[in-house]
Amino acid sequence: QDQLVQSAAEVQKPGASVKVSCKASGYSFSNYDISWVRQAPGQGLEWMGWISAHNGNTHYAQSLQGRVTMTTDTSTSTAYMELRSLRSDDTAVYYCARVLEVGASGAVGNWFDPWGQGTLVTVSS
Amino acid sequence: DIQMTQSPSSLSASVGDRVTITCRASQSINNYLNWYQQKPGKAPKLLIYAASSLQSGVPSRFSGSGSGTDFTLTISSLQPEDFASYYCQQSYSTPLTFGGGTKVEIK
Repeated sequence: QDQLVQSAAEVQKPGASVKVSCKASGYSFSNYDISWVRQAPGQGLEWMGWISAHNGNTHYAQSLQGRVTMTTDTSTSTAYMELRSLRSDDTAVYYCARVLEVGASGAVGNWFDPWGQGTLVTVSS
Repeated sequence: DIQMTQSPSSLSASVGDRVTITCRASQSINNYLNWYQQKPGKAPKLLIYAASSLQSGVPSRFSGSGSGTDFTLTISSLQPEDFASYYCQQSYSTPLTFGGGTKVEIK
């Protein structure tokens, strides 16, 4: 089945960087975008941006511009999200998700399915 | 940015109840509205896309409706496995945004 498996939890100090991986299986990786969403403890979901696995084009949330970089490696069907200059409020579970644009019903839009299991990133001195 | 407002933020219900969750967008988003279910410690799961299309494998007791600015997610007969948090998400324009969530608890 289509699946995304993420890297293990990380603890980083303020000011450091973190790079989270997301390995796809069960589908043609290059045919879909990958989006990243984060969730701070006890909070809601925040969209971070997306990357085309076909051509590497990216679109980042304005709030993270300059600190986030999303990349893909099609040879290993893996997406990466790097966040720099970490702050305590970056502590969150980070999810990757495949972006779908056309449904079986013929409807169009952008929705996320499947999701990775999540990677907890803790920023603490 | 488009703001998504869900109500209620939490509710208590019993097994077998009909449950309705609403999501309002700060501007018209046509039908570019999706619903997700999230259980504690787990990733969100897609339930409904494009306002009313049921994702494959999702039980038919879940349904979605609405267009423009007002949307609803309905669970026709609440089951024990449905106790979770629910989020709406708009894909009309970037940045994609989510509602604040609705936690469905056992009465």
